[in-house]
Amino acid sequence: DAKTTQPTSMDCAEGRAANLPCNHSTISGNEYVYWYRQIHSQGPQYIIHGLKNNETNEMASLIITEDRKSSTLILPHATLRDTAVYYCIVRPENTGNQFYFGTGTSLTVIP
Amino acid sequence: DAEITQSPRHKITETGRQVTLACHQTWNHNNMFWYRQDLGHGLRLIHYSYGVQDTNKGEVSDGYSVSRSNTEDLPLTLESAASSQTSVYFCASRRTMNTEAFFGQGTRLTVV
Repeated sequence: DAKTTQPTSMDCAEGRAANLPCNHSTISGNEYVYWYRQIHSQGPQYIIHGLKNNETNEMASLIITEDRKSSTLILPHATLRDTAVYYCIVRPENTGNQFYFGTGTSLTVIP
Repeated sequence: DAEITQSPRHKITETGRQVTLACHQTWNHNNMFWYRQDLGHGLRLIHYSYGVQDTNKGEVSDGYSVSRSNTEDLPLTLESAASSQTSVYFCASRRTMNTEAFFGQGTRLTVV
């Protein structure tokens, strides 16, 4: 798997956009970028994934740079319930058995 | 609604005992996985299954076994529990290798 690098922690004011960066400079052409989050004491929750194009769903937007070496997860209007550890994972298509979650970014949404 | 459930949520057992953690999903997913989560290690894959009668070893499979007799269930067995197996265990399932994985709420196991 391509290695990913994320900041250890971030704060965001409630109601503002939370922008969580991820570097994956060794990503290869067939590797997808996945984002999951884990709220304290719960199982990981899928957020979004993409290959090349920017993606948006009801939870978040994923912006992938043109060279695909980095991406940003955007939570458009962060709420207190978005406080969690966010994991960026790079996985090749059709080899999705083993997710290496790393240590992720601990996002704290501040009232 | 379809879901994935783990039981028990909390378990304390003694060293050397056999322990089985249950995982049940109602999505009819073929692919199921067991992970353990420890501080500083993220989630590490223990075993996984692509379907009935199929099981495969993951990154940290020593001391663990699984069986897949039906689509819905993938029980994880610790043959002889050790203190090093104290951890939080998560079960997950996914429809295909290219779709998102759904995780259970976890089982916190303490081996004393």
